[in-house]
Amino acid sequence: QSVLTQPPSVSGAPGQRVTISCTGTGSNIGAGYDVHWYQQLPGTAPKLLIYGNSNRPSGVPDRFSGSKSGTSASLAITGLQAEDEADYYCHSYDRSLSGHVFGTGTKVTVL
Amino acid sequence: VQLVESGGGVVQPGKSLRLSCAASEFTFRSYGMHWVRQAPGKGLEWVAVIWYDGSNKYYADSVKGRFTISRDNSKNTLYLQMNSLRAEDTAVYYCVRDLDDGSGSYPFDYWGQGTLVTVSS
Repeated sequence: QSVLTQPPSVSGAPGQRVTISCTGTGSNIGAGYDVHWYQQLPGTAPKLLIYGNSNRPSGVPDRFSGSKSGTSASLAITGLQAEDEADYYCHSYDRSLSGHVFGTGTKVTVL
Repeated sequence: VQLVESGGGVVQPGKSLRLSCAASEFTFRSYGMHWVRQAPGKGLEWVAVIWYDGSNKYYADSVKGRFTISRDNSKNTLYLQMNSLRAEDTAVYYCVRDLDDGSGSYPFDYWGQGTLVTVSS
């Protein structure tokens, strides 16, 4: 069950900036648990993109950035490129469920 | 880091299946491990976690009582025993490494390529 809500899709022209929201509740993001983001290219396994709300693993371009406030988090992609076309998922922990939860997923389309 | 899943296939409703995940190129016994699944055309769903030493295991409500996660640190292998399978369990199952020991809200830093489980009569 997805308890984190994301927009189904976002789109932008090459070079533009897009943002993806991830809305949770007081038992997950609002409880202080970190938010992580994953990129899933078509036909491949997800890849860690942002961890601990705003940190990039080695090798992830600085075009990707994350933030968190209250019960929500956001992923921003600046200077959008064709290879950024993928599905993006947020992830956190839920204390009421005693387990991990993912967002509903957002498909990014480069126009 | 390498995570290689196996054991997927077609199984009838109500039957059982065991997935395996062979881990290599890292100190397996030091990391928590998860199973995450993705139904065809759908989003990601966390299934279960096992702590680095196997001392604690937690499950999603959707599989609790039917699935069992386990590990053999001497063989660097993670398992998922799936019983009483249902059509809604049809998905690609990913073996996933926790950034830490599995006890917290850490990210999942490495994913296997996945193995497809199809539950159908």
